[in-house]
Amino acid sequence: KNQVEQSPQSLIILEGKNCTLQCNYTVSPFSNLRWYKQDTGRGPVSLTIMTFSENTKSNGRYTATLDADTKQSSLHITASQLSDSASYICVVGSFSGGYNKLIFGAGTRLAVHP
Amino acid sequence: SQTIHQWPATLVQPVGSPLSLECTVEGTSNPNLYWYRQAAGRGLQLLFYSVGIGQISSEVPQNLSASRPQDRQFILSSKKLLLSDSGFYLCAWRYGTGMDEQFFGPGTRLTVL
Repeated sequence: KNQVEQSPQSLIILEGKNCTLQCNYTVSPFSNLRWYKQDTGRGPVSLTIMTFSENTKSNGRYTATLDADTKQSSLHITASQLSDSASYICVVGSFSGGYNKLIFGAGTRLAVHP
Repeated sequence: SQTIHQWPATLVQPVGSPLSLECTVEGTSNPNLYWYRQAAGRGLQLLFYSVGIGQISSEVPQNLSASRPQDRQFILSSKKLLLSDSGFYLCAWRYGTGMDEQFFGPGTRLTVL
């Protein structure tokens, strides 16, 4: 069964600190992996997209890594800001039957406190 | 630039009442359109997707239906709402079906009482 699991479920950090969110997946065939940021009550916004050949991709203070062998990804946030408070969703794409189906993780809820 | 709209933003409906949620995309043509539901503490669940006018694919059997009467309009409907239909409904679009980025709308919070 295709699954995407994220940890921790929730996280509280102080402003200015770094943090790392984890994503483990069992999806086959694997096509790509995406990280989204979702503010409360809003739609998700894409942060990064990686294929199996990419090990790391950055978007400002966000850096995603991918280990296709162990089927793990991480999202590292540097020098956190209050505006980073949101849910971060790991999404794995699986291309099958001419269609790239997206499998969503439940997300990690991050709270950045002053 | 492309934008995606959803309305209403919030909705409270009694059990057994009908439902109609609308999604429209501006600034692009022939997009692939998607309806998702997000339950608290769970990942987004794909409900329907459409690759063209009148073409609807359902991912899971449910109390809901979808229609695409125009190229950039996607509607989610129900004849009789259930309590379990409560949730956050998201519409999304993208150009193709591969690596293309998927863009989400602002969502509709539906509460069925």
